[in-house]
Amino acid sequence: GAVVSQHPSRVICKSGTSVKIECRSLDFQATTMFWYRQFPKQSLMLMATSNEGSKATYEQGVEKDKFLINHASLTLSTLTVTSAHPEDSSFYICSAYGLRSYNEQFFGPGTRLTVL
Amino acid sequence: SQQGEEDPQALSIQEGENATMNCSYKTSINNLQWYRQNSGRGLVHLILIRSNEREKHSGRLRVTLDTSKKSSSLLITASRAADTASYFCATDRIQGAQKLVFGQGTRLTINP
Repeated sequence: GAVVSQHPSRVICKSGTSVKIECRSLDFQATTMFWYRQFPKQSLMLMATSNEGSKATYEQGVEKDKFLINHASLTLSTLTVTSAHPEDSSFYICSAYGLRSYNEQFFGPGTRLTVL
Repeated sequence: SQQGEEDPQALSIQEGENATMNCSYKTSINNLQWYRQNSGRGLVHLILIRSNEREKHSGRLRVTLDTSKKSSSLLITASRAADTASYFCATDRIQGAQKLVFGQGTRLTINP
């Protein structure tokens, strides 16, 4: 299957700082990338859909000004958590979908964000 | 909530036994997929079953789909300790632009 990477895998930051998480499709072009958040012992919740070259579409209840998403190329999408607070601590997972994915999304390994 | 339901929420069995997990969903779908997630890790895609399929096999995995009941089951046969993980079903709606809706997940523990 295709490979999706995320960087960093783990980040600890102070409250009020901004954190950028990168999601890369390594061996295919991702027309669409998705960002999910997962709290401990819970399922994945879709935050936003990111299409290359256009604005992200956010799910209901997700603050677009707090979670900035940029999908500047067919292999890279970034999620920036602005002015992070302890309640933003979570596991953030991206997935990528390409024209030849045949309905399969390929998931990154996730980024563990801890806000102190 | 748009999320589907999975049951049981937690399942603990002995190594070698079969494990069955169920998933129900709410809307008409294109496909249903099952994923495994080890603690603190990303998702591993296990199997995809299309809405016009009723059963699919992959190694020790068997997935069934009943669109009339909006439900699916995942059977893992001859379980191994390495199968210990959380298992999620995910559906994509017919008009959902490949958006996946995940079930709540089943935490499976295989005891040696």
